[in-house]
Amino acid sequence: GDSVTQMEGPVTLSEEAFLTINCTYTATGYPSLFWYVQYPGEGLQLLLKATKADDKGSNKGFEATYRKETTSFHLEKGSVQVSDSAVYFCALSDPGSSNYKLTFGKGTLLTVNP
Amino acid sequence: KAGVTQTPRYLIKTRGQQVTLSCSPISGHRSVSWYQQTPGQGLQFLFEYFSETQRNKGNFPGRFSGRQFSNSRSEMNVSTLELGDSALYLCASSPGGTASYEQYFGPGTRLTVT
Repeated sequence: GDSVTQMEGPVTLSEEAFLTINCTYTATGYPSLFWYVQYPGEGLQLLLKATKADDKGSNKGFEATYRKETTSFHLEKGSVQVSDSAVYFCALSDPGSSNYKLTFGKGTLLTVNP
Repeated sequence: KAGVTQTPRYLIKTRGQQVTLSCSPISGHRSVSWYQQTPGQGLQFLFEYFSETQRNKGNFPGRFSGRQFSNSRSEMNVSTLELGDSALYLCASSPGGTASYEQYFGPGTRLTVT
């Protein structure tokens, strides 16, 4: 079945540091890939998405590129801020499978210190 | 456009009781999904409804059930509550017809079973 593996946290960075959170996936079809972010006490917010190979999703300075050859969708940001502190989830959906759900990684806690 | 709303936000129940959680999707969205989030198991898919029909169900016991109404609002019910049912329950909505199947989440209902 489909699965998502993302790097274990927690990740602690200083403000303005470069961020990478690794995500790899296994899927039988041609999945769509997502990054969601969860701030303390809140639900999940869609951060960015990519629906086909070589697509780059971007939002709020975050980027991720759909790499089919390495089955990866790593999240990057050039300069993190304290306000980026949150839990980040990589996820996939497989529209061709008709299972109508998102499969999530376990989440990576990011803490950014001033 | 208003986001996904969930009620109540917090709930405390006693083992053996039952509980009903409510979700109102984004206007125009016809698909509603439910997820359980716990520190140990992460985000797990419960079920998905589209136009009042359950299209997919996760690997949860029959004590967990749901339904969707003609206005796309959804409820989930948990009967005979167990301590392990303590979790954040997240509802997500989607237009239902998009190939990428991106989902938009509500703030969640925090259920505590004592």
